Amino acid sequence: GESVGLHLPTLSVQEGDNSIINCAYSNSASDYFIWYKQESGKGPQFIIDIRSNMDKRQGQRVTVLLNKTVKHLSLQIAATQPGDSAVYFCAEGYSGGYQKVTFGTGTKLQVIP
Amino acid sequence: ETGVTQSPTHLIKTRGQQVTLRCSSQSGHNTVSWYQQALGQGPQFIFQYYREEENGRGNFPPRFSGLQFPNYSSELNVNALELDDSALYLCASSFGTQNTEAFFGQGTRLTVV
Repeated sequence: GESVGLHLPTLSVQEGDNSIINCAYSNSASDYFIWYKQESGKGPQFIIDIRSNMDKRQGQRVTVLLNKTVKHLSLQIAATQPGDSAVYFCAEGYSGGYQKVTFGTGTKLQVIP
Repeated sequence: ETGVTQSPTHLIKTRGQQVTLRCSSQSGHNTVSWYQQALGQGPQFIFQYYREEENGRGNFPPRFSGLQFPNYSSELNVNALELDDSALYLCASSFGTQNTEAFFGQGTRLTVV
């Protein structure tokens, strides 16, 4: 079956450093991947997505890398700020049908001031 | 703010009861997806509604049902509540079924006692 998982459940980073959050997926048919940020008491917030025909995509202070060979993606956050503290989820989806995305269990990012 | 609103924000129900949760999608969006998020877990896809019809369903029993109205708002109904139904219920709206950028509401926290 399909599944999305994360290597590290909790990540502590010093303010100003770069953060890297990793994610493994298992469904070879997935053709897009999304990173969400979820703050306490809120719904997931879209950060960035990447299609399977790309291996890198950059946004504002964030970069997503996709390695289809080993079914791995990562989210890099540059110059991590206290406001980045949250739980981060990767999610995978298949655009051939309805928009169902499968979420992983999440990584909690703690930014140390 | 995403423009997706859910009501109520919190709800306590007794096992065996029925519950209806509501979601107003963002203006211009015609697709609503519902997710269940247990504590410490990633959201799990329940189903999606597109143009008032169910467009896909996850691994949830039939006692989870939904509706979408002409204005694209949506309801999630759960019958015969079980203790394990206690979770945060999230709705996400998007335009079309292929759009990866879905916007989530803040969720409804359901507690079954």
